[in-house]
Amino acid sequence: EVQLLESGGGLAQPGGSLRLSCEASGLTFSSYAMSWVRQAPGKGLEWVSTVSASGGRTYYADSVKGRFTLSRDNSKNTLYLQMNSLRAEDTAVYYCAKIQRGENYYGMDVWGQGTTVAVSS
Amino acid sequence: DIQMTQSPSSVSASVGDRVTITCRASQGIRSWLAWYQQKPGKAPKLLISAASSLQTGVPSRFSGSGSGTDFTLTISSLQPEDFATYYCQQANSFPITFGQGTRLEIK
Repeated sequence: EVQLLESGGGLAQPGGSLRLSCEASGLTFSSYAMSWVRQAPGKGLEWVSTVSASGGRTYYADSVKGRFTLSRDNSKNTLYLQMNSLRAEDTAVYYCAKIQRGENYYGMDVWGQGTTVAVSS
Repeated sequence: DIQMTQSPSSVSASVGDRVTITCRASQGIRSWLAWYQQKPGKAPKLLISAASSLQTGVPSRFSGSGSGTDFTLTISSLQPEDFATYYCQQANSFPITFGQGTRLEIK
């Protein structure tokens, strides 16, 4: 069974940092691009970032560019999202998701259960 | 950025009804559109990719169509488990963008 397990969420102060992890199992992790998508309380889905299968290319939403860094360690089947300079508007449930094929074009066919990030003083 | 606009924002329907949700892109995205279903407290679930490709295990009462800028998700005969929020997502180019969601409620 393909599974994605996020961790690292929690409470952070404005301006602070958190590092989210997403561990994959049941798939050839190094073959797939991966994304983070977030959902603020009571709001819709917002794409955050995508990394290519090799890790060589990354893409970011304007709202997080320059503050968040997406990386992956294919030897550990793990995706990382380093979040710096956190703001109140970063408060959300963060989901990691596998892109079905390629870097885009297709949907995200496997999702983790989500990890909650709260930014507050 | 490509803006995705869903309509309606919410809809009330009964079990057995046929429901259609529309998604419009601010510019052409060919057929690179996905549909998701999300239930409260749960992760989204991919229903359809590439506008009309039904995912394995998704009931055949779900169907998708469209290309360019206009897309539809149709549920042919609503079942109790279909009451949820539905999102479209363009996968044509970065930044990836989602529609605002359509909440499907029981009448």
